[in-house]
Amino acid sequence: AQSVTQLDSQVPVFEEAPVELRCNYSSSVSVYLFWYVQYPNQGLQLLLKYLSGSTLVKGINGFEAEFNKSQTSFHLRKPSVHISDTAEYFCAVTLPSGGYNKLIFGAGTRLAVHP
Amino acid sequence: NAGVTQTPKFQVLKTGQSMTLQCAQDMNHEYMSWYRQDPGMGLRLIHYSVGAGITDQGEVPNGYNVSRSTTEDFPLRLLSAAPSQTSVYFCASSYSPSGRAYNEQFFGPGTRLTVL
Repeated sequence: AQSVTQLDSQVPVFEEAPVELRCNYSSSVSVYLFWYVQYPNQGLQLLLKYLSGSTLVKGINGFEAEFNKSQTSFHLRKPSVHISDTAEYFCAVTLPSGGYNKLIFGAGTRLAVHP
Repeated sequence: NAGVTQTPKFQVLKTGQSMTLQCAQDMNHEYMSWYRQDPGMGLRLIHYSVGAGITDQGEVPNGYNVSRSTTEDFPLRLLSAAPSQTSVYFCASSYSPSGRAYNEQFFGPGTRLTVL
């Protein structure tokens, strides 16, 4: 069975500083990987996804993530954060399938950007 | 398009009461899902549907019922509410792969449910 571990429950950072949110997954087969963002009192929005190909994936709002198969990681990075990036971030995994994709979510990382 | 809509936004129930959380999408998506979000646990799949008339259980289905009579609507029923069902509930939809292996799930704004 697949599982996702987000290594930090909270990450405080100052505005314009770089940030990395860490995600590790476990699976005995190839998976698809995702990062979702949840702004306060809103639903989830897809930030970026890795399906295949280049291991460096670029998403919206200047975020990027790198897939590392040997370390089973999919860490999210941004070189310079803004106050508006304050949100909760979820890493998720699913199996490649021609049918319904069941998403397995991590517990989430709350990013707090301070002025 | 309104996307995925959920009603109500907030609800307070007493233990033992029943209620239905509504979810609708106007994107003609075949797949729809219900998740619950609890602090420190991320989102967990309750039930999902791959088309009208077809539903299946997710990770935490106990205490919940679903049905899918139309493509647009996917209501979630709490049969006899319990305090353990206090949570934020999200509905999501996606289109069927049509040869592609993955399609993005679009989430509604959520329903915050408190069971006293």
